[in-house]
Amino acid sequence: DAKTTQPNSMESNEEEPVHLPCNHSTISGTDYIHWYRQLPSQGPEYVIHGLTSNVNNRMASLAIAEDRKSSTLILHRATLRDAAVYYCILFEGNTGKLIFGQGTTLQVKP
Amino acid sequence: DAGVIQSPRHEVTEMGQEVTLRCKPISGHDYLFWYRQTMMRGLELLIYFNNNVPIDDSGMPEDRFSAKMPNASFSTLKIQPSEPRDSAVYFCASSFWGYNSPLHFGNGTRLTVT
Repeated sequence: DAKTTQPNSMESNEEEPVHLPCNHSTISGTDYIHWYRQLPSQGPEYVIHGLTSNVNNRMASLAIAEDRKSSTLILHRATLRDAAVYYCILFEGNTGKLIFGQGTTLQVKP
Repeated sequence: DAGVIQSPRHEVTEMGQEVTLRCKPISGHDYLFWYRQTMMRGLELLIYFNNNVPIDDSGMPEDRFSAKMPNASFSTLKIQPSEPRDSAVYFCASSFWGYNSPLHFGNGTRLTVT
């Protein structure tokens, strides 16, 4: 299974941007990079995904390195409601599997 | 759309009993996934279906676990007999097309086996 590496935890101040890094050095050409987050007592929630190009949506931006071995999830202005566990996942094109790692716990301070 | 609906939200049962967890995916989604989450092991993929057909069940822990999808709007995950180590939160998710589409998760079933 394709693997990702994320820091265990990060802190941010409210209203400031947050950059959540992810390494995926064994990514293959057909693997999509997905990000999900999980709030306490809820199921994971889709945030964003991409293949090669940077992506933007209403929740966040995804910056993908040119060699695709790393990516960064960008929350432009963190709010207290963004405190969650963020998962960077490779969606395996050859198996159709979405395998979760341990994720990054983001704390947002007022 | 109501999203992915799982039932029950909580289940408490005694060791040895049969447990059935239920999932209704989002209408039109043709992929369905079952995950299990524990503190020790995080989120584990148990099995997934495409168009009601099981594609990969390599994550199912043992023969006590079975999953079915009799039609496009319903799936079950059954544990028989249940054991205390099966205690976890079980999530169901659905999506279009698989790997290039976002997964939509339900709110999970918290299973406690005493």
